[in-house]
Amino acid sequence: DTGVSQNPRHKITKRGQNVTFRCDPISEHNRLYWYRQTLGQGPEFLTYFQNEAQLEKSRLLSDRFSAERPKGSFSTLEIQRTEQGDSAMYLCASSLEAPQETQYFGPGTRLLVL
Amino acid sequence: RKEVEQDPGPFNVPEGATVAFNCTYSNSASQSFFWYRQDCRKEPKLLMSVYSSGNEDGRFTAQLNRASQYISLLIRDSKLSDSATYLCVVPRGRNSNSGYALNFGKGTSLLVTP
Repeated sequence: DTGVSQNPRHKITKRGQNVTFRCDPISEHNRLYWYRQTLGQGPEFLTYFQNEAQLEKSRLLSDRFSAERPKGSFSTLEIQRTEQGDSAMYLCASSLEAPQETQYFGPGTRLLVL
Repeated sequence: RKEVEQDPGPFNVPEGATVAFNCTYSNSASQSFFWYRQDCRKEPKLLMSVYSSGNEDGRFTAQLNRASQYISLLIRDSKLSDSATYLCVVPRGRNSNSGYALNFGKGTSLLVTP
């Protein structure tokens, strides 16, 4: 499968714990995006990378959240001191760098904070 | 005005019916628009892109009215397999450091019944 992959697919954690998610984009895509989706809502933008540079962060990305893309390939999203409100589906997408590029989404990581 | 607004539905229609979804957006500078389809507990997948006044792909037609900042999606001859949530998507806006991070509507739920 040459699509976007995400691991783990599901994560259950206790409040206060740290969690890390991984996204592997489509191999030739140099743009990578993280979104969060809660029940009944559309995905909400969190942050975006072009190659290894993190170029944009939304106000939703509090200081407990950090994302990296160290070699311009896979990316990690870490949430420190998780809260129950962090429970959501975390979606990763990737795209080419072109004027009207399509974003392709991975299957998501579903996080439940108890 | 919210960035992207959609009627959440649900729309319950019989097989073979024609159904239309509407979407309004606030960013008058947007040049491209998308409809994504999301099945239950799955990732969003691109259904159609809209760059000019509209686009047609088989049973699906998307129309754009820039003056009214309004996008529609028409589905003709509905199939059971069309049952899903349809997300209206507008790029957040582009500057020299930003790619096409997306603003999603909440989605419109469609159920096609036998």
